[in-house]
Amino acid sequence: GEQVEQRPPHLSVREGDSAIIICTYTDSATAYFSWYKQEAGAGLQLLMSVLSNVDRKEEQGLTVLLNKKDKRLSLNLTAAHPGDSAVYFCAVKSGSFNKLTFGAGTRLAVCP
Amino acid sequence: NSKVIQTPRYLVKGQGQKAKMRCIPEKGHPVVFWYQQNKNNEFKFLINFQNQEVLQQIDMTEKRFSAECPSNSPCSLEIQSSEAGDSALYLCASSLSRGGQAPLFGEGTRLSVL
Repeated sequence: GEQVEQRPPHLSVREGDSAIIICTYTDSATAYFSWYKQEAGAGLQLLMSVLSNVDRKEEQGLTVLLNKKDKRLSLNLTAAHPGDSAVYFCAVKSGSFNKLTFGAGTRLAVCP
Repeated sequence: NSKVIQTPRYLVKGQGQKAKMRCIPEKGHPVVFWYQQNKNNEFKFLINFQNQEVLQQIDMTEKRFSAECPSNSPCSLEIQSSEAGDSALYLCASSLSRGGQAPLFGEGTRLSVL
């Protein structure tokens, strides 16, 4: 089945700096890709999702890049602020019933 | 501002007790999922529905776990006889279709089995 690797597991940046999280996946037939944010004690907040025919998507300070050749997905927070501190997960759709396979998560700390 | 509503937020049970949690999906979303997130942030897919019909479920779900999504009522996930290893965050999610749209998640029910 689909396997997803996410790195780094921990990331610490200063306020205003960029933070980049990368996921690699194995199934070339993966249909769409998503990024979720999880704050302490909370559920998953959908940040952005892209279909497999999209290479780049930008929204509200977030940039998602998809490199299908290398099977690599990245999330770039272009100017991080302390409110971005959370755990971030990539998730890819596998199979025919919309089931998600998640990365292991990246704990992001943004220091003032 | 999640529009998937899960209750209760916290649930504490003794081993062998039943544990039941509920989920109201986003309005108009016919597809509902249940995932288990353990303390190591590993996600396990449990079951998903389209309307009242089960689409997929894992073997674990077929034994001690039961779930349903009746019409005009909240969806539910019930563990018949809780075990310590069931302690986790149970996340419900819903989506508009089977594919092509990322599911929206609720805040989860955190189950602690003592």
